[in-house]
Amino acid sequence: KAGVTQTPRYLIKTRGQQVTLSCSPISGHRSVSWYQQTPGQGLQFLFEYFSETQRNKGNFPGRFSGRQFSNSRSEMNVSTLELGDSALYLCASSLGTGAEKLFFGSGTQLSVL
Amino acid sequence: AQRVTQPEKLLSVFKGAPVELKCNYSYSGSPELFWYVQYSRQRLQLLLRHISRESIKGFTADLNKGETSFHLKKPFAQEEDSAMYYCALNPGGATNKLIFGTGTLLAVQP
Repeated sequence: KAGVTQTPRYLIKTRGQQVTLSCSPISGHRSVSWYQQTPGQGLQFLFEYFSETQRNKGNFPGRFSGRQFSNSRSEMNVSTLELGDSALYLCASSLGTGAEKLFFGSGTQLSVL
Repeated sequence: AQRVTQPEKLLSVFKGAPVELKCNYSYSGSPELFWYVQYSRQRLQLLLRHISRESIKGFTADLNKGETSFHLKKPFAQEEDSAMYYCALNPGGATNKLIFGTGTLLAVQP
């Protein structure tokens, strides 16, 4: 059974640009969550989707958005990139919602220059 | 405010010594508590959750609501236990949202 797949693995962007990250959950998993990991702030929750609906959102500006498709794949978008957006973005999937076991991807390392 | 505190950034022990990784939380409701682990060059993965009351790889953790703690313990550390350990809180309800602590790097010396 394939694990959570995140693409691309690395991204380099410049300030002001926008970026889209992709996450393919484990087959059968309907919930996808996104986290930002930085050395200073650690792991911070971005948002959570279940059956194409956003169930929960973290304390991030509106420049961060996401969506989930009918096949449970998810994308997150960051517009007007800032230097502080440089981070490892992790996606996690689970069968359902409600304190389920999360399966994490390897992440997308975003560098904003 | 919902918060998870792991006071130690680094814990270094010798092989065979007992290990205790500390975790304290701040939450007014009934949270679910987890320990996640990340071994070198591997993905973040679930180690254990308090509602399962299970022992994984010799590790146990007991939820102490009075002290708002969920410390991770192992009686005899092994070199393969060296990893980054994260304590996490789920606020309950129909959500998988996790609030993570900053993590503790466990280094087991031979």
